Amino acid sequence: EVQLVESGGGLVQPGGSLRLSCAASGFTFSSYWMSWVRQAPGKGLEWVANIKQDGSEKYYVDSVKGRFTISRDNAKNSLYLQMNSLRAEDTAVYYCARVSMYYYGSGSYARYYFDYWGQGTLVTVSS
Amino acid sequence: EIVLTQSPATLSLSPGERATLSCRASQSVSSYLAWYQQKPGQAPRLLIYDASNRATGIPARFSGSGSGTDFTLTISSLEPEDFAVYYCQQRRTFGQGTKLEIK
Repeated sequence: EVQLVESGGGLVQPGGSLRLSCAASGFTFSSYWMSWVRQAPGKGLEWVANIKQDGSEKYYVDSVKGRFTISRDNAKNSLYLQMNSLRAEDTAVYYCARVSMYYYGSGSYARYYFDYWGQGTLVTVSS
Repeated sequence: EIVLTQSPATLSLSPGERATLSCRASQSVSSYLAWYQQKPGQAPRLLIYDASNRATGIPARFSGSGSGTDFTLTISSLEPEDFAVYYCQQRRTFGQGTKLEIK
């Protein structure tokens, strides 16, 4: 059974830092692109960042570029989001999500949608 | 960047009725569109991918259609557990959601 379990959320002051973790199990973590998606209170979903299987490619939404860093440790089946210079508008539930893959011949390719999600971890930025 | 516009924002229906939710893309996305269901306090759940393919374990009452810029999620006969918020998505963009509430 695929499981994604986030941790590391909490209350932090504006300008502070926080590191989120996502522990993956039930699938070959190193074979999948992974993402972070967030949801501000009472609002919709917003994609935050993506990372390739080996960590060699990373992409971010403009609003977090230069402040957030996505990373992974395939030996530990874990995904991370280092969040620095936090702002009130970063307050949200942060979800770890697996990017669906398809396989053709000897290659694997990322699809555009998220097939499994964690339960989320709440980050509150407030003084 | 693609913009996805969902309508209506809120849909009020009764159990047993048919629900039709719309998602319009600002430019063609071919058939590359997914739908998610989110219940209060829960993570989103993948319902439909590639516009019309049901994800694993999704009941047959959920169906998707469309291509290009106009897409529809249909729930043929609403069950009590179907009242939730529904999002469409294409790559890094999500629609703003449609709240399906009990009338």
